[in-house]
Amino acid sequence: DVKVTQSSRYLVKRTGEKVFLECVQDMDHENMFWYRQDPGLGLRLIYFSYDVKMKEKGDIPEGYSVSREKKERFSLILESASTNQTSMYLCASSRRTSGRTAYEQYFGPGTRLTVT
Amino acid sequence: AQTVTQSQPEMSVQEAETVTLSCTYDTSESDYYLFWYKQPPSRQMILVIRQEAYKQQNATENRFSVNFQKAAKSFSLKISDSQLGDAAMYFCAYRSTGANSKLTFGKGITLSVRP
Repeated sequence: DVKVTQSSRYLVKRTGEKVFLECVQDMDHENMFWYRQDPGLGLRLIYFSYDVKMKEKGDIPEGYSVSREKKERFSLILESASTNQTSMYLCASSRRTSGRTAYEQYFGPGTRLTVT
Repeated sequence: AQTVTQSQPEMSVQEAETVTLSCTYDTSESDYYLFWYKQPPSRQMILVIRQEAYKQQNATENRFSVNFQKAAKSFSLKISDSQLGDAAMYFCAYRSTGANSKLTFGKGITLSVRP
């Protein structure tokens, strides 16, 4: 089974702190994603990566950066945490699309981040 | 840009009954993928069912089936014989066929199942 793990289930940080959220997948997937989930807004894509050291901005990249130094690991960085970044953060991974097969994304358990 | 709309924020169904969750999307593309994901309370999001737009036949997975209406840009999920374990948040999602394309999610619907 595919496994996507995230470094913390719950995290409490103070405003202005630098925050690292880590995600690891064990299925050699090329693509990895970071989302934030807020009530009434669904999932919104922050950043994604389709290869090591490659990254693409999603819909809401402001205030975030990412790092992918190894294929299995994708980190989300909040350079200076703010209260409006309090949210649930979900990591996902998938195989790169090939042919006409709709490969699914596999999700981690999520990190609930509270910034006070 | 593609958009996905789930207009009902909440639904409720009696155990063993059938429920349909609606989803519409907007796209100018002719080939794409559609998904329904399930997020149980405090648990990981998992794929329920997927549909490739080029396939005319509606996808089915055990008690889950879809009604894919390409012309109407509608993609509803039918859950038959509802079980207590079906209680969750359900998200409809769209993806283009490009190799590095991303998922676009709807806002989700919370389904409760009454015993």
